[in-house]
Amino acid sequence: DAKTTQPPSMDCAEGRAANLPCNHSTISGNEYVYWYRQIHSQGPQYIIHGLKNNETNEMASLIITEDRKSSTLILPHATLRDTAVYYCTPDGTSYGKLTFGQGTILTVHP
Amino acid sequence: DGGITQSPKYLFRKEGQNVTLSCEQNLNHDAMYWYRQDPGQGLRLIYYSQIVNDFQKGDIAEGYSVSREKKESFPLTVTSAQKNPTAFYLCASTATDRGMWNTEAFFGQGTRLTVV
Repeated sequence: DAKTTQPPSMDCAEGRAANLPCNHSTISGNEYVYWYRQIHSQGPQYIIHGLKNNETNEMASLIITEDRKSSTLILPHATLRDTAVYYCTPDGTSYGKLTFGQGTILTVHP
Repeated sequence: DGGITQSPKYLFRKEGQNVTLSCEQNLNHDAMYWYRQDPGQGLRLIYYSQIVNDFQKGDIAEGYSVSREKKESFPLTVTSAQKNPTAFYLCASTATDRGMWNTEAFFGQGTRLTVV
């Protein structure tokens, strides 16, 4: 199984970009990287995913290194509502076992 | 609207009693998962199922049991053998692309179980 490493916590000022890193050095060549976030006491919510190329949607951007060993989720203009726990995870191609690490607690300050 | 529903949202049980948490999805997803979350912790996988009538143990299956008799339903039973059952339980589902890759996971809103 691919394992992920994320910093336990990060701070960001409101209106600034939040850059959340994830290390997934053992990811398989055909596994996507998925990002989710969990607001307190709710179920996690999908944000974005990617394989090799950088991706952008209405919520965030995802930068994946060329060797695919790490990625960065970018929230371009963080708001207070972006305060949450952010998880990166491979897509579980190892027989569908979808696992999550500890995630990063992002706190956005006014 | 399609989604995944967990019930109840809050559940209280006495120590030594078995309790079953419900998880239903109408997304036509093949795979379903159960996670446990303790305060300040990440998600730990309890059981998962890729297809009806088949399921596998996750990382912390001891003291739990599941069934997958229907594609839409994946109930979790917390047995009296589970030493510390008080936790937040999350159910999720994913489609399976060509039987290989999972697509994005959809989560329920969770059940907070308190055992007294």
